[in-house]
Amino acid sequence: SQTIHQWPATLVQPVGSPLSLECTVEGTSNPNLYWYRQAAGRGLQLLFYSVGIGQISSEVPQNLSASRPQDRQFILSSKKLLLSDSGFYLCAWSVHGNTIYFGEGSWLTVV
Amino acid sequence: AQKVTQAQTEISVVEKEDVTLDCVYETRDTTYYLFWYKQPPSGELVFLIRRNSFDEQNEISGRYSWNFQKSTSSFNFTITASQVVDSAVYFCALSARGGATNKLIFGTGTLLAVQP
Repeated sequence: SQTIHQWPATLVQPVGSPLSLECTVEGTSNPNLYWYRQAAGRGLQLLFYSVGIGQISSEVPQNLSASRPQDRQFILSSKKLLLSDSGFYLCAWSVHGNTIYFGEGSWLTVV
Repeated sequence: AQKVTQAQTEISVVEKEDVTLDCVYETRDTTYYLFWYKQPPSGELVFLIRRNSFDEQNEISGRYSWNFQKSTSSFNFTITASQVVDSAVYFCALSARGGATNKLIFGTGTLLAVQP
């Protein structure tokens, strides 16, 4: 069966510090991968998605970037965090055209 | 433009009551998918159901049931005999078929609190 894991689960970082959140999927090949952010107020916003290695599409302009160095690995990064980057980050996967499944999420607090 | 509206921000019920969570969507696509996800306090989004635009049959899964009506662009979710474990934020989402990517547009969620 397919599983998705992301880490770290919780992160407290100072303003201006770098960020790296990692996500891996097991049990499937060539999945679509996604990064969502959930800010206060519960809204879920799609940040990035990827249909293959090295292929990244950004949905909104922001202080973050994403990379997909391997088929089942998706990384969310920032060189310098802002206070507004605080939130709950969710990695997700799907096989083309099917249901999107989410990871456990990572809580990021920028102080 | 695609949009999902969950007008109910918070609902509070007493255990064993039935509760319906409303979802209204907007899309110009003729082929699309509708979803419900549950987000318990732990934060993980748990997939509950997917419906495609060509299948208007209602579905029942245990205490959960879904009513899809294209005429009113609604996809409502009913929990029968609610339990405390049902307390969570519930999200309705829409995805239009097209290309290789399945991007979800989420509603703002409904916080359901089931009191013992």
